[in-house]
Amino acid sequence: EPEVTQTPSHQVTQMGQEVILRCVPISNHLYFYWYRQILGQKVEFLVSFYNNEISEKSEIFDDQFSVERPDGSNFTLKIRSTKLEDSAMYFCASSEYGQGLDEQYFGPGTRLTVT
Amino acid sequence: AQRVTQPEKLLSVFKGAPVELKCNYSYSGSPELFWYVQYSRQRLQLLLRHISRESIKGFTADLNKGETSFHLKKPFAQEEDSAMYYCALSPGSARQLTFGSGTQLTVLP
Repeated sequence: EPEVTQTPSHQVTQMGQEVILRCVPISNHLYFYWYRQILGQKVEFLVSFYNNEISEKSEIFDDQFSVERPDGSNFTLKIRSTKLEDSAMYFCASSEYGQGLDEQYFGPGTRLTVT
Repeated sequence: AQRVTQPEKLLSVFKGAPVELKCNYSYSGSPELFWYVQYSRQRLQLLLRHISRESIKGFTADLNKGETSFHLKKPFAQEEDSAMYYCALSPGSARQLTFGSGTQLTVLP
């Protein structure tokens, strides 16, 4: 069964550094998402992406964040200048149609640790 | 703004006992409600959605618009049901999911 994959599984970076988290969505899916979960807190929506542009974004997704689909398979989340509070598990997800009822398939997550 | 509340962080039941995981939501429109589950060392996966009205792995959930609830129930819990359960809401026209804080269910032998 096709799955969403994410790399790396764990990333450690220093405050102020740029990080890129990578995701390979399921191949026939059209909508892509990033969520994050700070330790002990809720899973929070960051951004959705369709047809090479941002479809929706939350208040968390400020100018420090950007997303890109650099080729036909990868979907990346870039954090320009990491802060301590960016430490979290970051989940990528994809869905086939992007309608409200559409199942979102999640990746295993990337644990980002900012020191 | 939408909100999902799961009042129980931890819930333990014995194998064979009924289980109910509570979920309440607030949203002014007509939301789509989901239950996602995360088994140990596995990824988040959809368990069921309210529109389907189906039973998955013996679990059911009924949307009660009057009480703004979407509680997850199973009449006879099994040890393999032990997992983290998240209730989630999607505004009908949008795609973002708003999650509750999750309930860690432990089914004891």
